[in-house]
Amino acid sequence: DTEVTQTPKHLVMGMTNKKSLKCEQHMGHRAMYWYKQKAKKPPELMFVYSYEKLSINESVPSRFSPECPNSSLLNLHLHALQPEDSALYLCASSLVGTGPYEQYFGPGTRLTVT
Amino acid sequence: GQNIDQPTEMTATEGAIVQINCTYQTSGFNGLFWYQQHAGEAPTFLSYNVLDGLEEKGRFSSFLSRSKGYSYLLLKELQMKDSASYLCAVTPLGGNTGKLIFGQGTTLQVKP
Repeated sequence: DTEVTQTPKHLVMGMTNKKSLKCEQHMGHRAMYWYKQKAKKPPELMFVYSYEKLSINESVPSRFSPECPNSSLLNLHLHALQPEDSALYLCASSLVGTGPYEQYFGPGTRLTVT
Repeated sequence: GQNIDQPTEMTATEGAIVQINCTYQTSGFNGLFWYQQHAGEAPTFLSYNVLDGLEEKGRFSSFLSRSKGYSYLLLKELQMKDSASYLCAVTPLGGNTGKLIFGQGTTLQVKP
């Protein structure tokens, strides 16, 4: 199984809503990532978890709150978002070690903030 | 600082060969990756280079020169389905988690 799954595929939320994005992998990868991608731009790294601990936060606003409840799951909790946060949110996973290791990406959640 | 440059757009003909260049200046280097991304889809891994030289995978090859901060992706026998964005990404030194820094991507259009 070399698949990273993400739910939901599409999400529309208001600026006062609270929602969560979910990501799951069963490849035994111990590094998991959240990226944000705007149209015609490359993915931008948001967070990295290594062995279920947050290892990188790329100065992301606190309205985005990541969580890694176990080695297979990664969540991104959203609260009080702005319209400019509308984007494709990609989850990825990889092995951890001396590397480098390829990252496997999920299909993404397309988020629209109204 | 980190700077990765790729051409924004390229056009090629079905059946031909195309080379997509990538130059990088990063604070440390651990490896360089190439990803393909079709519109509206997730990036998919194509190849990576750690040492200088050419890596071949079927119709796709990638070359790296660390001393020159230069890589290219070579696509042979182009097919219409190769129309996509091609992303060059560098893993900087430090830590054991594969932080990826992406270039802006090259949109390749394959014409009949």
